[in-house]
Amino acid sequence: KAGVTQTPRYLIKTRGQQVTLSCSPISGHRSVSWYQQTPGQGLQFLFEYFSETQRNKGNFPGRFSGRQFSNSRSEMNVSTLELGDSALYLCASSSSIQGLFGEQYFGPGTRLTVT
Amino acid sequence: AQTVTQSQPEMSVQEAETVTLSCTYDTSENNYYLFWYKQPPSRQMILVIRQEAYKQQNATENRFSVNFQKAAKSFSLKISDSQLGDTAMYFCAFMKPGANTGNQFYFGTGTSLTVIP
Repeated sequence: KAGVTQTPRYLIKTRGQQVTLSCSPISGHRSVSWYQQTPGQGLQFLFEYFSETQRNKGNFPGRFSGRQFSNSRSEMNVSTLELGDSALYLCASSSSIQGLFGEQYFGPGTRLTVT
Repeated sequence: AQTVTQSQPEMSVQEAETVTLSCTYDTSENNYYLFWYKQPPSRQMILVIRQEAYKQQNATENRFSVNFQKAAKSFSLKISDSQLGDTAMYFCAFMKPGANTGNQFYFGTGTSLTVIP
């Protein structure tokens, strides 16, 4: 099976702009989670989607939003970018079926730099 | 809410030696899963090892093993015969399973491990 893919891998944006990141999960996985990774902060949970519905949401401002399509692909959008949004954004998919481990498989991430 | 603490931001070990990475967590749940993930420099995060809380036996995957102390809420990772390829950031993760709410993951801040030749 192909792994989790994320596009683009690198992005440079200017403060105030908006950005959309894309994630394609492992085939058959219906749960997609997004994380923000910054040095010293580890992984901060953004949100999780399952069957096109947001099931969980972390403590991030409303500028961060996401959606999931019927094929389980997910997009994350950040509007009105701030310098502090510079980070590695990781997408992870899981089968999310009770009874299985449900461990997450991560994509390579999108490195966002806001100038 | 669950919290995961990794108290060692950086560690180093000589090649072929053994190193132990610490992780503690706080939860009132009885059913949960614990994981260690490895993120090599500029590379993808991968799962190293996993442990179900209801299992008393410590998980082992080749050179990687855990010391799971449920009462103490401790979940340390031991790497034996360290290799240069083990150089990476290691994250401890707690998962609360949920049929309707989805599995909820909580990560520690990571331990940067350097294997010295």
